[in-house]
Amino acid sequence: DSGVTQTPKHLITATGQRVTLRCSPRSGDLSVYWYQQSLDQGLQFLIQYYNGEERAKGNILERFSAQQFPDLHSELNLSSLELGDSALYFCASSVAPRDTEAFFGQGTRLTVV
Amino acid sequence: QQQVKQSPQSLIVQKGGISIINCAYENTAFDYFPWYQQFPGKGPALLIAIRPDVSEKKEGRFTISFNKSAKQFSLHIMDSQPGDSATYFCAAGLNAGNMLTFGGGTRLMVKP
Repeated sequence: DSGVTQTPKHLITATGQRVTLRCSPRSGDLSVYWYQQSLDQGLQFLIQYYNGEERAKGNILERFSAQQFPDLHSELNLSSLELGDSALYFCASSVAPRDTEAFFGQGTRLTVV
Repeated sequence: QQQVKQSPQSLIVQKGGISIINCAYENTAFDYFPWYQQFPGKGPALLIAIRPDVSEKKEGRFTISFNKSAKQFSLHIMDSQPGDSATYFCAAGLNAGNMLTFGGGTRLMVKP
């Protein structure tokens, strides 16, 4: 167990809908990262937050957004869902943005039908 | 410029053998090279990592070899065990950070 908690573990929703994925980082970790893992694109970095502020953006679609709350948990919001958004979404956390190990959660499997 | 290419896609090794997975990168600004291990239904877990100022790092049965001039790095698993059967990902990061560019993954199967 990495100490990073993601909910829900599985999510099935219809095209056009909006979903929210939740991540609780390890105790003491200030930095949160979101990654998408799909068969065709592999593991891709989406976005990073550090202590409540957006730190870096990767290949994140405009339909997707995220935030980190004062208690350091993070949410990834996916809207206007398309079939191609079906993937595993991982959250990772680390103490600091650099020079520290990132620990991954078990992921949320999103299926868009 | 941000790509990390990993090979092979799959690998079958006998128990006790050496598993070798290779990665190549393009962006010379990368300065952090971790390897992650992922079991089915689990998230990736850090196995071992290296910075470009060293050419080799060993932790138990796992060794990273790093060739800065060739922009290549590899993972060697000595005395491979069935419990090592998993998918392995190389990655590269900028500014020693965890915004990682991942390779495509290698599915390793170690036969008893």
